[in-house]
Amino acid sequence: RKEVEQDPGPFNVPEGATVAFNCTYSNSASQSFFWYRQDCRKEPKLLMSVYSSGNEDGRFTAQLNRASQYISLLIRDSKLSDSATYLCVVNSPRAGGSYIPTFGRGTSLIVHP
Amino acid sequence: ETGVTQTPRHLVMGMTNKKSLKCEQHLGHNAMYWYKQSAKKPLELMFVYNFKEQTENNSVPSRFSPECPNSSHLFLHLHTLQPEDSALYLCASSQVDIYQVAYGYTFGSGTRLTVV
Repeated sequence: RKEVEQDPGPFNVPEGATVAFNCTYSNSASQSFFWYRQDCRKEPKLLMSVYSSGNEDGRFTAQLNRASQYISLLIRDSKLSDSATYLCVVNSPRAGGSYIPTFGRGTSLIVHP
Repeated sequence: ETGVTQTPRHLVMGMTNKKSLKCEQHLGHNAMYWYKQSAKKPLELMFVYNFKEQTENNSVPSRFSPECPNSSHLFLHLHTLQPEDSALYLCASSQVDIYQVAYGYTFGSGTRLTVV
């Protein structure tokens, strides 16, 4: 099983739709979770951190489910400008007690008029 | 300057050349990273430096040689690369705690490398 898995999509949705992505991780000792957005041929940019209590930023809601080892991202009222690849990032533990960031391969979202 | 800056933005090099990629962060972060992103593949972590010490080498071939002279600068020295090394090379920085758990990563714009 891969350390961090995402459905690559693409998710093709109309403007105004609500869309949700999940990201599963294999190591239950993982800490610190994030969603990043990457536009074509650009660098990833932080969208939001993911907390156990869940967090919301405008149209975006992120949730962490430690029991089932996944994080989710919900986008409400999709805009054309939301079209991008959404990457989940998990801080995975390594031998010796350190953590390293592991990226999923990303979920492609296409919002159409 | 603010954030993370990478130079050059584009690089074309022959297989016998030696070149270096440069990354500089202006965020006061204590950790820096090199990532490789190939087409249709996830981001691959190459190297991690915490407080200027290399803490991770993710089985990267020796033709890639990192250097971290201080906590703000990171280099990736390249020599005798192969065409399959062509990719986007991204530098990132973060602030990590005593357990090396990071609180977000800031990326540079990347260097798009083509090996001919």
